[in-house]
Amino acid sequence: DSGVTQTPKHLITATGQRVTLRCSPRSGDLSVYWYQQSLDQGLQFLIQYYNGEERAKGNILERFSAQQFPDLHSELNLSSLELGDSALYFCASSAQGLAGQETQYFGPGTRLLVL
Amino acid sequence: AQSVAQPEDQVNVAEGNPLTVKCTYSVSGNPYLFWYVQYPNRGLQFLLKYITGDNLVKGSYGFEAEFNKSQTSFHLKKPSALVSDSALYFCAVRPRGYQKVTFGTGTKLQVIP
Repeated sequence: DSGVTQTPKHLITATGQRVTLRCSPRSGDLSVYWYQQSLDQGLQFLIQYYNGEERAKGNILERFSAQQFPDLHSELNLSSLELGDSALYFCASSAQGLAGQETQYFGPGTRLLVL
Repeated sequence: AQSVAQPEDQVNVAEGNPLTVKCTYSVSGNPYLFWYVQYPNRGLQFLLKYITGDNLVKGSYGFEAEFNKSQTSFHLKKPSALVSDSALYFCAVRPRGYQKVTFGTGTKLQVIP
């Protein structure tokens, strides 16, 4: 158990809908990262937050947004969902995340299925 | 742009034999390099990382990796494979001073009893 929790574990929804994925980092970790894992695109970095501020942005679509709250938990919002958004979404956390060398600890993931 | 290549989709090895999972990267400067393992229906677990110093990095579960700057490689190795090592292995690179991390496509390791 990495200490990173994600809810829900599974999510089934329809095209055009909006969902929110939630992540609680390990106790004391300030950085949260979001990833998308799909069969055709592999593991893609979406976005990183550090202590409430956006730190780095990867291949995140404009339909997707994220935020990190004062208690350091994070939410990933996916809107106008398409079939291709079906994937496993991972959250990871690290203690700082500023130097780049830190180990990231991954949550168990949320499996999203868009029908 | 940074990139990571894991040239083998799958590696099969007999239990007890040494294993190697290959990783090469392309990035400017000296990067941080990572290996993670993913078991079915689980998140990624950290195995080891290279930051600086000794080119041979030792990690969890008896795994090690060798950083080769001239060949821009960071191959994962283990002297004696276990059936329980069967999983999906990811190599990742993160340039110094830059936050975006790039993962390889993953290599499925199958250890045959």
